[in-house]
Formats: sequence, C-alpha cells, structure tokens
Amino acid sequence: KQEVTQIPAALSVPEGENLVLNCSFTDSAIYNLQWFRQDPGKGLTSLLLIQSSQREQTSGRLNASLDKSSGRSTLYIAASQPGDSATYLCAVLMTNFGNEKLTFGTGTRLTIIP
Amino acid sequence: DADVTQTPRNRITKTGKRIMLECSQTKGHDRMYWYRQDPGLGLRLIYYSFDVKDINKGEISDGYSVSRQAQAKFSLSLESAIPNQTALYFCATSVYNEQFFGPGTRLTVL
Repeated sequence: KQEVTQIPAALSVPEGENLVLNCSFTDSAIYNLQWFRQDPGKGLTSLLLIQSSQREQTSGRLNASLDKSSGRSTLYIAASQPGDSATYLCAVLMTNFGNEKLTFGTGTRLTIIP
Repeated sequence: DADVTQTPRNRITKTGKRIMLECSQTKGHDRMYWYRQDPGLGLRLIYYSFDVKDINKGEISDGYSVSRQAQAKFSLSLESAIPNQTALYFCATSVYNEQFFGPGTRLTVL
C-alpha cells in the first residue's frame, strides 16, 4: 500500500527566504507526482506535475524535483512571499490496467512571516 | 467562471437524511472524482468515473453512491447520513493524469 509522508507538518519562515518542502513515498512504481496548494476554505490548486520519467519541473519561483528510486520529492520555493502562505500537498499517482489511485500526503502548512 | 464548481458549498444536515452533492465542470474532461478530506488523514478517494455511466469504487465508498449522467456532471449521494461523514468533500477532474479540483463542500452531519 502506497504511503505518502510530508514532514514537517508546519513550517514558518521569514519573508524573502528560500525554502524546501519534502514529500516521501513508499512505493517507487509511481506514474507521476503532483504538488498542490490549499488555501483555507478553498480547493486545491495544482502547482506542478512531474512525470515518473522526469527529474524536475519549474514554474516561476517554484521548482519540484523527483527521485523515484529513493521515494522522494521536494518543492523549492524561492524568495518566499506572504502570499505563499498555504498548505502544500503532494500526491502520487499509481496506475494498473486502467485502475488508478492518487494517494495524498497530509500536507505541510507554510506560514511566511512578513 | 470556475472550471469545476460544487454545490452546495456548505451544508448542515441531520443523521439519517439523504444528501446529494453536485459537481459540474466546463473543462470537457472525461475523468471525474470525489474525495473527502479529514484533518490528519489527507484526501481519500470515494468514487471515480472515466466516462458517462462508468463508475468505480475508491478506497472509502461504503455509505456513498454516485451518478454520472453527463460528461459535465458527477453527483455524490449519502443515502442516510451519519456523523462520521462530516468532512470536506472535493470533486476533481483529470486529463493526461493531472487533476484539477473544485472549491469543496463542507458537510456537517449532526
């Protein structure tokens, strides 16, 4: 059974700092990995999708890496801003003969201190 | 307008009542999903559908049913609501294995 872990559960950093969020998974036979942000009372916004054959993806100040063999992904946020405060979730997709299962981590709640 | 919409956004109901949550999408995606989110447990898949009339159980389907009568609509029903179904419910669509979520429905069962 795939398990996805995100540590720490909460993180506070001063504005302007670069930071890294971690995601680990137990079964490396994934199809892809997706990073989301969730704002309080709102849905999930897709940030980055990394296919299993890729090592990283970038979007603006965000960079996500994937090391399938070690079961790890990181989300790097450069020059953090107060608007980056949110909960960040990672999710891994497994597929098997048309069946698919997206397993989520429980998230890291990020607070950027002005 | 949002690509994935959910109605209602908030609902309070009593034990034993039948509840329907609606999801609509304008993305034109074939695949749709229902998840629930509980504190400390993350999101868990309830049901998913790859096309009209196609229904598949997720990991926590007991106590729920779904209907996919049109590509754009996927509804979730609780036939007889119970308090442990109190949660935040999300609908999602996907294309090329990337998922897109609605804003969620906060359901409270008293």
